[in-house]
Amino acid sequence: AQTVTQSQPEMSVQEAETVTLSCTYDTSESDYYLFWYKQPPSRQMILVIRQEAYKQQNATENRFSVNFQKAAKSFSLKISDSQLGDAAMYFCAYRTMDSNYQLIWGAGTKLIIKP
Amino acid sequence: DVKVTQSSRYLVKRTGEKVFLECVQDMDHENMFWYRQDPGLGLRLIYFSYDVKMKEKGDIPEGYSVSREKKERFSLILESASTNQTSMYLCASSFPQGNGNEKLFFGSGTQLSVL
Repeated sequence: AQTVTQSQPEMSVQEAETVTLSCTYDTSESDYYLFWYKQPPSRQMILVIRQEAYKQQNATENRFSVNFQKAAKSFSLKISDSQLGDAAMYFCAYRTMDSNYQLIWGAGTKLIIKP
Repeated sequence: DVKVTQSSRYLVKRTGEKVFLECVQDMDHENMFWYRQDPGLGLRLIYFSYDVKMKEKGDIPEGYSVSREKKERFSLILESASTNQTSMYLCASSFPQGNGNEKLFFGSGTQLSVL
């Protein structure tokens, strides 16, 4: 069975600096999707970034980028120029290519931004 | 913007009560999901529905049932609430794209306490 592990329950970073959140996963599949979702204090989860496993190029969305290491089954999220609005829970998630729409979620990392 | 509305932000119920959690989305999405979020466990899928009157069990369906009589509304029912069902419940919806690119849109969650 697939699993997703986020080993950092909590991380903190100084405003304007860069922080990396870790995620590892276990799967025997060769094609799949990986996601980072953000849950701010408002509790409404929003998609930050998405990566297809067959793409070697790391996904980037403005200040958010991933380091996808397929062989190591690692999918870390880098946030550059951290802002106070980045404070949130961040969840890593995995999805297979089949049609059951089911995501496997990590336990989450709480990111604290220090002003 | 897609809006997913959960009827209650906070709910307190007594053990043995029948509890209804309502979720409505306004973007004509086929897929709707109910997740349970607990600290240290991430999100776990309770049930999902890919069409009206269709439902499939997720990872933890025991003690729960669902109803989807209309496309926009997906209800989670706790037949006889128990204290171990105290949790945050998140509803989500998506439009199936068949290529893994579907994006989940979440409600703001219902924090349920069962006393």
